[in-house]
Amino acid sequence: DTAVSQTPKYLVTQMGNDKSIKCEQNLGHDTMYWYKQDSKKFLKIMFSYNNKELIINETVPNRFSPKSPDKAHLNLHINSLELGDSAVYFCASSQGQGGRFEQYFGPGTRLTVT
Amino acid sequence: GIQVEQSPPDLILQEGANSTLRCNFSDSVNNLQWFHQNPWGQLINLFYIPSGTKQNGRLSATTVATERYSLLYISSSQTTDSGVYFCAPGGYNQGGKLIFGQGTELSVKP
Repeated sequence: DTAVSQTPKYLVTQMGNDKSIKCEQNLGHDTMYWYKQDSKKFLKIMFSYNNKELIINETVPNRFSPKSPDKAHLNLHINSLELGDSAVYFCASSQGQGGRFEQYFGPGTRLTVT
Repeated sequence: GIQVEQSPPDLILQEGANSTLRCNFSDSVNNLQWFHQNPWGQLINLFYIPSGTKQNGRLSATTVATERYSLLYISSSQTTDSGVYFCAPGGYNQGGKLIFGQGTELSVKP
């Protein structure tokens, strides 16, 4: 039973394309997150949703748009992909918001833009 | 914003050795987690430890919230312990976010 799952695991695409990454959690959690890990392994939060409502929106280009159809799913759509978007993207979830609940991470999606 | 510093940045151990990883942070927090990122890139939860001490097998962690640091102890290290260890404090003062340190890269040699 995978707690937080992401698809696809690997994504190779060309500059200018639009792509989506999907995330699902079966933990019954209310809050979900997207993180980006760059080539130096630095991890930074991008977005957070609580019960389908956007609660954290870091300084991220408008080309990145999260969507939460229900509280178990949080997808990330990226328009007009650029070379600098190459990174590993992690989805995570927690029981609640406020940063005080344990967060559980998915396996990551390695995005390579050529 | 909060500053998070992990030390050492890199560590090479012989199998069977013990080690201590440190995480200093500059603000009060409601949450602190330790993660292990294995060589395949998976982020594994080790501890949720905003304060106090916890143990899980060969690993243990201590957070002294009033002094703004946390320690991760690895005893009798094994090659499978290799990878990057991240601490991530966070909470209300951090806008409800976890802020990741830069990590300690551990290599355990057989």
